[in-house]
Amino acid sequence: EDKVVQSPLSLVVHEGDTVTLNCSYEVTNFRSLLWYKQEKKAPTFLFMLTSSGIEKKSGRLSSILDKKELSSILNITATQTGDSAIYLCAVGLIQGAQKLVFGQGTRLTINP
Amino acid sequence: NAGVTQTPKFRILKIGQSMTLQCAQDMNHNYMYWYRQDPGMGLKLIYYSVGAGITDKGEVPNGYNVSRSTTEYFPLRLELAAPSQTSVYFCASSDRGSPNTIYFGEGSWLTVV
Repeated sequence: EDKVVQSPLSLVVHEGDTVTLNCSYEVTNFRSLLWYKQEKKAPTFLFMLTSSGIEKKSGRLSSILDKKELSSILNITATQTGDSAIYLCAVGLIQGAQKLVFGQGTRLTINP
Repeated sequence: NAGVTQTPKFRILKIGQSMTLQCAQDMNHNYMYWYRQDPGMGLKLIYYSVGAGITDKGEVPNGYNVSRSTTEYFPLRLELAAPSQTSVYFCASSDRGSPNTIYFGEGSWLTVV
């Protein structure tokens, strides 16, 4: 059975801290790994990773994939209260359609 | 550009009732999906469709049905609602040319009592 596991499940930090969120996977037919941010409504896309060792960066957020270790990390530096959200990791499978297997999510709370 | 539109946003159902969650996309995407998200959990795929007239089961299809008569619409039918179907439902779509870019609707909050 395809599985995606995120850790920690919940994290509370102070504004300005740096956080690292983890995602590990066991799937057949890996195509891509995606990170989403979910506030009150629908998940919004952050990154898509397909190649190992290549960092993707967007402002204070960055992510990297390690295909050997079957894992990915999402880093957020100089956190702000607006970063408070659930961060979802999903793995896309090689299928006719882009079927995603989601992890449970990490609930990140940034305190002022 | 409306993207993916879901209705209703909120609904309370009694056990045994049936209802249809509507989903429409105006991006001419080939692929459409229905996910559910239980509290504190990630999303699980219920059904998906790769084009009009073609549907297939995802991880958790029991208790649901779908149809895809046109490219734009992908309704999800709940038959004989059960408390276990209390969840948030997300419809999504993606294009065959960029299957990794999935667009989500705003979600439908469903409570079965």
